[in-house]
Amino acid sequence: DIQMTQSPSSLSASVGDRVTITCQASQDISNYLNWYQQKPGKAPKLLIYDASNLETGVPSRFSGSGSGTDFTFTISSLQPEDIATYYCQQYDNLPSFGQGTRLEIK
Amino acid sequence: EVQLVESGGGLVQPGRSLRLSCAASGFTFDDYAMHWVRQAPGKGLEWVSGISWNSGSIGYADSVKGRFTISRDNAKNSLYLQMNSLRAEDTALYYCAKIGGTGGLWGNFDYWGQGTLVTVSS
Repeated sequence: DIQMTQSPSSLSASVGDRVTITCQASQDISNYLNWYQQKPGKAPKLLIYDASNLETGVPSRFSGSGSGTDFTFTISSLQPEDIATYYCQQYDNLPSFGQGTRLEIK
Repeated sequence: EVQLVESGGGLVQPGRSLRLSCAASGFTFDDYAMHWVRQAPGKGLEWVSGISWNSGSIGYADSVKGRFTISRDNAKNSLYLQMNSLRAEDTALYYCAKIGGTGGLWGNFDYWGQGTLVTVSS
C-alpha cells in the first residue's frame, strides 16, 4: 500500500500569507495526486487534481505542483474562508489520503 | 446539479450487519465509477471501496476486505455498501463519492454526499 505523509499536521497563518503544505508518497505515483478542502461539518471539496490542475470554480490562489513522490499545495494569499483541513490523496493504485493539515488563522 | 444522498446508517451492535445506500442524480450514473470513503469522529479520511461503471472492477481497503461488499444498480442510479461483521473501529461517517472523468476506477473524487453515520457499539 502507498503511504502518504502530509506536513505540517497543523498550521497557523495570517490573512494574506502564503501557505504551503507538502505531501510525500512512499513510492513513485507520477502525478496521480489530488488535494481536497474540508470545512467543519462539511464533505470534502476537490480543489486540485492530477497534481497541478485547478478544479473548475476554485479560486486561482490555490495551486499544486510536484510529481513522483513529492508534492506541494499552495495558497498564495490566505483568506478567512480558507480555514479548513486540507488532504492530499493518491490514486496510483488503491486510493489513500494524507493525514490532513488543519489550517487556522493567526 | 449533481446530488449524492446517503442513507442506511445508524447504531448497530458489534458483529451485526448494515447496508448503506447512495442515491445519485444530476449526471449519467452508469458512466462513472463510484466510491465509499469514511471518516471516524475527529479523524482523517479513509478510502473504503470503489466500483467501476459496469461493476467489472472492484477494490477494497484491507481494513474491510472480506467483510464489506460494494455494489451498484445502474437502473436505479444507486450505490450500495453491505457491511457485515461490524467492529467498533468501523464507526464513522460514510461518504459516497463520484469519480471525476469517465472510464477509470481510480481518479479524483469530484462530488461527495453529506454522509451517513454508522456507530458500532454494544
